[in-house]
Amino acid sequence: NAGVIQTPRHKVTGKGQEATLWCEPISGHSAVFWYRQTIVQGLEFLTYFRNQAPIDDSGMPKERFSAQMPNQSHSTLKIQSTQPQDSAVYLCASSLGDSQNTLYFGAGTRLSVL
Amino acid sequence: GDQVEQSPSALSLHEGTDSALRCNFTTTMRSVQWFRQNSRGSLISLFYLASGTKENGRLKSAFDSKERRYSTLHIRDAQLEDSGTYFCAAASSSFSKLVFGQGTSLSVVP
Repeated sequence: NAGVIQTPRHKVTGKGQEATLWCEPISGHSAVFWYRQTIVQGLEFLTYFRNQAPIDDSGMPKERFSAQMPNQSHSTLKIQSTQPQDSAVYLCASSLGDSQNTLYFGAGTRLSVL
Repeated sequence: GDQVEQSPSALSLHEGTDSALRCNFTTTMRSVQWFRQNSRGSLISLFYLASGTKENGRLKSAFDSKERRYSTLHIRDAQLEDSGTYFCAAASSSFSKLVFGQGTSLSVVP
């Protein structure tokens, strides 16, 4: 079991460019979560899918951020027109999706917007 | 929204000593999960609790089963490798998101 796989591990973009982050959940897990971590804000929830359907996107900035889960083996987080304040570590987690909901996190993608 | 208040924010322990971390919730929570984040940034799950206590080696966690408003993580006989940042996270219902505390930065010194 390779765990949750996130790619790339590091991404550097210029202000105004687009960034796409990838997440492969643990095989057999039906729930995928995206979080963002910064020194100032800590760990912030962004969005969550269960069985590929969006369940809760209450943490997503309404403009420029979007997430998809086109199949059970991967999810993407896309940030359009990146801004310096988007710089953070973006963490993906998966769970079995049952009532216990134990989360297993990937190593994260460190996004730096210059 | 739901808030998770974690204390202390930082803690320094000598090897071999015991201590406890605490998380208070502003509302009743259904479950709590404890994580340790290592120096590489990886979040490792330590415990998931919907009630009662769980123990794993020198770590023990408890979740207030009555009012469901706090959880604790006890570290016994602290070792250098226990250093890291510890997070608690709680969910208000079975299928809801986890809300994280701000973390406790633990440093174990010789």
